Amino acid sequence: DAGVIQSPRHEVTEMGQEVTLRCKPISGHNSLFWYRQTMMRGLELLIYFNNNVPIDDSGMPEDRFSAKMPNASFSTLKIQPSEPRDSAVYFCASSETGQETQYFGPGTRLLVL
Amino acid sequence: EDQVTQSPEALRLQEGESSSLNCSYTVSGLRGLFWYRQDPGKGPEFLFTLYSAGEEKEKERLKATLTKKESFLHITAPKPEDSATYLCAVLTGANSKLTFGKGITLSVRP
Repeated sequence: DAGVIQSPRHEVTEMGQEVTLRCKPISGHNSLFWYRQTMMRGLELLIYFNNNVPIDDSGMPEDRFSAKMPNASFSTLKIQPSEPRDSAVYFCASSETGQETQYFGPGTRLLVL
Repeated sequence: EDQVTQSPEALRLQEGESSSLNCSYTVSGLRGLFWYRQDPGKGPEFLFTLYSAGEEKEKERLKATLTKKESFLHITAPKPEDSATYLCAVLTGANSKLTFGKGITLSVRP
């Protein structure tokens, strides 16, 4: 199995620009999670989907962040407009329905200048 | 609000020097406690899940244990390749939301 796939692996952008992060979960997994990791705050859940439906978005920092899951094999996390404080590593994870173990992708390292 | 505290923040060991990493938690209704390993520049890699106090799981040099208030990750005779950040997380409530601790960075010197 290819595991969770994320793209891009690295993104450098300027403040005010739109950023789109992409994730392909493990085939057959019904739940998908977006996390953000920083030195200060550690690993924080932003939003998660079950069967393509957003279940809990209470971790989304503000309206500048949005996430979609148009089908079972693809999700996006968009930041518009981006700010320097959004700089972090963003991880996507997936799990099977009924199984609580989450499997993480390699992450996208975002730097907003 | 669920809280997970890991200690120490960093640990340096000599190869072969056994030790334990601590994860203490304050939650309402623990459904599971997870341990992950994270190497620099990579995503967390699943190690263990513990569900009830008294449960233990082992994998190579690692053994995870669980009580009602904390979990330990025991590392026996560590090797340099065990160097990584170890994260614990708790699952509570009716949803699939994990709350992570900030991690313990382990460095094993040859």
